[in-house]
Amino acid sequence: EDQVTQSPEALRLQEGESSSLNCSYTVSGLRGLFWYRQDPGKGPEFLFTLYSAGEEKEKERLKATLTKKESFLHITAPKPEDSATYLCAVQALSNAGNMLTFGGGTRLMVKP
Amino acid sequence: DAGVIQSPRHEVTEMGQEVTLRCKPISGHNSLFWYRQTMMRGLELLIYFNNNVPIDDSGMPEDRFSAKMPNASFSTLKIQPSEPRDSAVYFCASSPWTGSSQPQHFGDGTRLSIL
Repeated sequence: EDQVTQSPEALRLQEGESSSLNCSYTVSGLRGLFWYRQDPGKGPEFLFTLYSAGEEKEKERLKATLTKKESFLHITAPKPEDSATYLCAVQALSNAGNMLTFGGGTRLMVKP
Repeated sequence: DAGVIQSPRHEVTEMGQEVTLRCKPISGHNSLFWYRQTMMRGLELLIYFNNNVPIDDSGMPEDRFSAKMPNASFSTLKIQPSEPRDSAVYFCASSPWTGSSQPQHFGDGTRLSIL
């Protein structure tokens, strides 16, 4: 059974204080790992897809990296507008239908 | 381009009533997913469709839940009869089904409260 565990559950940062969110996964062959951002009262918004170990993707202050067992979402010099819940999800090679297994998320709060 | 559209955004009803949630996927997307999100259980997949055909409904919690996709641009999730423990946010998502890994795109959800 595919499993995704995210840590920490919640993270408070001061504006400008860089940090990383962790996503550990167990899957029988990784087809893709996805990062989403979710704001209160909204649906998850797609950020990145990573396909193989060693791959990196960047968008503004966010950089996602992937190893064979985990992914990190690095946040450099965060701003208050980066406050949100960040969700990680995996898609298995055995799954031909784009099904995703989600982690519980990390709630990020950035204080000015 | 229009994203995934869900209605209603909020629904409050009494226990025992029938509830129908609606979803319009992104045009051209042929996979559609229904999720439920709660604080305790996070985001759970209920059912998904490819080309309007239900593929996996193993996440549907009980026979009180049913979902249909009569055409490529419309899907419904129905709860009958509703119970207080069904209170949650229900999301619909869609993606292209191309054989390669594709992200799902989510609507803004329906917040359901069963009194």
